Amino acid sequence: SQKIEQNSEALNIQEGKTATLTCNYTNYSPAYLQWYRQDPGRGPVFLLLIRENEKEKRKERLKVTFDTTLKQSLFHITASQPADSATYLCAPFRMDTGRRALTFGSGTRLQVQP
Amino acid sequence: DTEVTQTPKHLVMGMTNKKSLKCEQHMGHRAMYWYKQKAKKPPELMFVYSYEKLSINESVPSRFSPECPNSSLLNLHLHALQPEDSALYLCASSPGGVKAYGYTFGSGTRLTVV
Repeated sequence: SQKIEQNSEALNIQEGKTATLTCNYTNYSPAYLQWYRQDPGRGPVFLLLIRENEKEKRKERLKVTFDTTLKQSLFHITASQPADSATYLCAPFRMDTGRRALTFGSGTRLQVQP
Repeated sequence: DTEVTQTPKHLVMGMTNKKSLKCEQHMGHRAMYWYKQKAKKPPELMFVYSYEKLSINESVPSRFSPECPNSSLLNLHLHALQPEDSALYLCASSPGGVKAYGYTFGSGTRLTVV
């Protein structure tokens, strides 16, 4: 069965540094992969989508890479700020079945220290 | 309007009660979703409606009954719930079809079953 793993439950970094979050998946080949941010008690907020034929996508301080050989996506936040503290969820999406819905990884809780 | 609105925000119900959760969007999205989220876990898919038809039921107990009266509205009817059903219930929508889009989530209904 398909499996989605995100590195460490929590990641603590200093303000101004680059945060790098990892999403690994097994047993399937997603057509694209999405990243979301979730704050406590709130719904996830869509950040970025990257397709299988794209190596990298950027949006302001955010960068996502997608390596279909390694079955891995990396999510980077450059010049991190305390306001970036949240849980980040990855969601690889497969198109080869009738099951068209997002399944989320376990999430990584990012804490940016001032 | 770029929001998904969920009501109520909080709900406390007894195990013998019947209640409903409501979700509304006016973005013209044709796919709508219910997710359940327990503390420190990622959202788990419950139901998917595509063009007002139920397309995915993730083996959810019959005490949860979804309904999609029209393309803008999604309900989740609750009956005879158990304390372990206490969770954050999230509604989401997406344009639908085969193109890749991020989901728009509501802020959720925090349900407590006593």
